[in-house]
Amino acid sequence: DSGVTQTPKHLITATGQRVTLRCSPRSGDLSVYWYQQSLDQGLQFLIQYYNGEERAKGNILERFSAQQFPDLHSELNLSSLELGDSALYFCASSRDRVDEKLFFGSGTQLSVL
Amino acid sequence: DAKTTQPPSMDCAEGRAANLPCNHSTISGNEYVYWYRQIHSQGPQYIIHGLKNNETNEMASLIITEDRKSSTLILPHATLRDTAVYYCIVRASNSGGSNYKLTFGKGTLLTVNP
Repeated sequence: DSGVTQTPKHLITATGQRVTLRCSPRSGDLSVYWYQQSLDQGLQFLIQYYNGEERAKGNILERFSAQQFPDLHSELNLSSLELGDSALYFCASSRDRVDEKLFFGSGTQLSVL
Repeated sequence: DAKTTQPPSMDCAEGRAANLPCNHSTISGNEYVYWYRQIHSQGPQYIIHGLKNNETNEMASLIITEDRKSSTLILPHATLRDTAVYYCIVRASNSGGSNYKLTFGKGTLLTVNP
């Protein structure tokens, strides 16, 4: 158990819909990262937050957004969903802004039908 | 970040040492070598990292060549539960910019056979 909690574990929705994925980092960790993993793209970095502020952006679509709340949990919002958004979404956390070790959650499997 | 090259797959017998190679010939002086693994559909798991000296922890050993252009991850006594995709990642460890993010390649699928 990494200590990072992601909910829900599975999500099935339809094209055009909007969903929210939630992540609770390890106790004491200030950074949260979101990754997307699909069969054809592998693990892709989406975005990082540190202590409530956006720290780095990767290959995140404009239809996607994220935030980190004062209690340090984070949410990833995916809107106008397309079939190609079906993937595993992982959240990771680390102690600091630039920590060597990332601890990953077990992921949310999103299926867009 | 420097690019890494890993074999797509390797096999290892249970109980034997698994040696996973990684080439990173364009690595620069401030870049570390990280290893993570991902057991089927689970979140990636940190294994070990190093700069230029060999490193060992409870999971594995990391051997980095003197010119730092390649490295080997060693699992001393592989078990069936070590079957996973192993990612070698090179990343700068600094506080500026966004180049400290972990960029995962395709990794090596290690299959440990009974």
